[in-house]
Amino acid sequence: AQTVTQSQPEMSVQEAETVTLSCTYDTSENNYYLFWYKQPPSRQMILVIRQEAYKQQNATENRFSVNFQKAAKSFSLKISDSQLGDTAMYFCALGDNQGGKLIFGQGTELSVKP
Amino acid sequence: EAGVAQSPRYKIIEKRQSVAFWCNPISGHATLYWYQQILGQGPKLLIQFQNNGVVDDSQLPKDRFSAERLKGVDSTLKIQPAKLEDSAVYLCASRRGRGWVNTEAFFGQGTRLTVV
Repeated sequence: AQTVTQSQPEMSVQEAETVTLSCTYDTSENNYYLFWYKQPPSRQMILVIRQEAYKQQNATENRFSVNFQKAAKSFSLKISDSQLGDTAMYFCALGDNQGGKLIFGQGTELSVKP
Repeated sequence: EAGVAQSPRYKIIEKRQSVAFWCNPISGHATLYWYQQILGQGPKLLIQFQNNGVVDDSQLPKDRFSAERLKGVDSTLKIQPAKLEDSAVYLCASRRGRGWVNTEAFFGQGTRLTVV
């Protein structure tokens, strides 16, 4: 069975500082993808960043970067220069490339404080 | 391009009543997902369609939930009869293809269901 675990229910960070959200996962597949999604109060789920498991290089998207540790099955998200608009729920997700399944962790509620 | 459309946005029903949710995915997206998101939790996959066929419905409570995707485009999710614990946001998502190469899942705004 595939699982995604986020052990930090809530995090807070001061504006302009850096925060790291943790995620671990379990899968028996070799070919999979990992994602971080942002869900603001409006409920619209938005893709923040993605990582292909076969790529060793960590993905980056502007202020967002990941630390992908395949052997440890760890996939953390770093947000640099945090902005008030980053306040949201963040979900880690695992995509199975064979069946196309997409499963989510429990989420981390991030608050960026002025 | 237009996003994933869901309706209604909100629904309040009494327990034991039935309810239906509708999803119109992005044009050309073969894969469609329905998720249940209880307040404060992550989305739980209920069912995954590939065109009009079911790929995974292992977590769909089939005694009360049903879903269909006739013609491989629009989809409806039905609950009959509803229970109090069905109160949640129901999210629909779609994407091209079946694998994840050069594709991502796009989500609708969800339907918030309250069962009283």
